[in-house]
Amino acid sequence: SAVISQKPSRDICQRGTSLTIQCQVDSQVTMMFWYRQQPGQSLTLIATANQGSEATYESGFVIDKFPISRPNLTFSTLTVSNMSPEDSSIYLCSVHVRQQFFGPGTRLTVL
Amino acid sequence: AQSVTQLDSHVSVSEGTPVLLRCNYSSSYSPSLFWYVQHPNKGLQLLLKYTSAATLVKGINGFEAEFKKSETSFHLTKPSAHMSDAAEYFCVVSENPASKIIFGSGTRLSIRP
Repeated sequence: SAVISQKPSRDICQRGTSLTIQCQVDSQVTMMFWYRQQPGQSLTLIATANQGSEATYESGFVIDKFPISRPNLTFSTLTVSNMSPEDSSIYLCSVHVRQQFFGPGTRLTVL
Repeated sequence: AQSVTQLDSHVSVSEGTPVLLRCNYSSSYSPSLFWYVQHPNKGLQLLLKYTSAATLVKGINGFEAEFKKSETSFHLTKPSAHMSDAAEYFCVVSENPASKIIFGSGTRLSIRP
């Protein structure tokens, strides 16, 4: 199994600012995934982060808005840049260790 | 490309009656399929998964799902609904177990007393 922790668990931010979300896994994994869940919606994959290479972004998501770091096999960060109220969502990181595991999520509210 | 369609955004059943949540998938390969449940303000929990073994998959809390390749379906069922089953359910597809997974739009299950 895999235990995933995320920081912060929630935050309220002003528009135009940036927030960096941290994801820590208790085992080494090749790929880490970042998802967004907008209010009342399903989960949408933002990007896949491989250690040692640039993240792969899904359609509709760009590196300038959601820069990702993956410095080692147990850690990743997602930054939500120049935030607007439309970025208010839950952001989750995920890994695959025999099955897919999800972090508890970071609930972001942008005013 | 892979995709998944949940045919009902909301399903309401009476306690003690059967539950059916419908899911159809599209995949270029033999997919892995999953059902997740999300209770209000809680994290995602894996209910069950299909990875090319038995086509009838049993999960937790009395749920099961049947993989039907001819119909490209993976519907979730439970013989008798319980009040605690009220939650959001997501059907998920992956083209191989370790690759990215794609979520359906979700089905909200309500249980009437």
